[in-house]
Amino acid sequence: GESVGLHLPTLSVQEGDNSIINCAYSNSASDYFIWYKQESGKGPQFIIDIRSNMDKRQGQRVTVLLNKTVKHLSLQIAATQPGDSAVYFCAEAGGGGADGLTFGKGTHLIIQP
Amino acid sequence: DAGVIQSPRHEVTEMGQEVTLRCKPISGHDYLFWYRQTMMRGLELLIYFNNNVPIDDSGMPEDRFSAKMPNASFSTLKIQPSEPRDSAVYFCASSLVGGARHTIYFGEGSWLTVV
Repeated sequence: GESVGLHLPTLSVQEGDNSIINCAYSNSASDYFIWYKQESGKGPQFIIDIRSNMDKRQGQRVTVLLNKTVKHLSLQIAATQPGDSAVYFCAEAGGGGADGLTFGKGTHLIIQP
Repeated sequence: DAGVIQSPRHEVTEMGQEVTLRCKPISGHDYLFWYRQTMMRGLELLIYFNNNVPIDDSGMPEDRFSAKMPNASFSTLKIQPSEPRDSAVYFCASSLVGGARHTIYFGEGSWLTVV
């Protein structure tokens, strides 16, 4: 069936470095993608989104890249800070309807001092 | 806005007991979602409502699970009878379809342990 998955379960980076979290999706009908951040004991928080008619979108210290050819999504975090330590999920929605999101398994980002 | 509010935050119950989880969505949002999160399966969509009407409940595990939304500001997820394998974090989320469609805002979750 269709699924959204992550390449790496854990990513460790030095504070101040840039980090890249990757995500693969398989539903070609998906037209909307979101990255969420989940800190320990909390619910997922919206970070940034991108529609399928775009290939790049920038926010504050974060950039999402979408490669529809290979069905790949990435989240780049610039100048990582201790507060960036969390689990990051990509999620996708498709079919044009406002249905629930399908989430990947998550990547745990660890920021080392 | 206070965000999505869930209660209880934590619950420990014995197998066979009824569990009721509650949710107040963000005011004005017309979609409400119930998700379940476990280490093994990640975040799974259980059911979602649009304008208080259940749209898709295909993610509800079995008949022991039921969800209702009697009005725009309240929803419940009920498990009866509960089993140890129901132990998980249950998230309620809401969204407003429009310019920011699909941006779903989550509550802090209800941490359920069935012993």
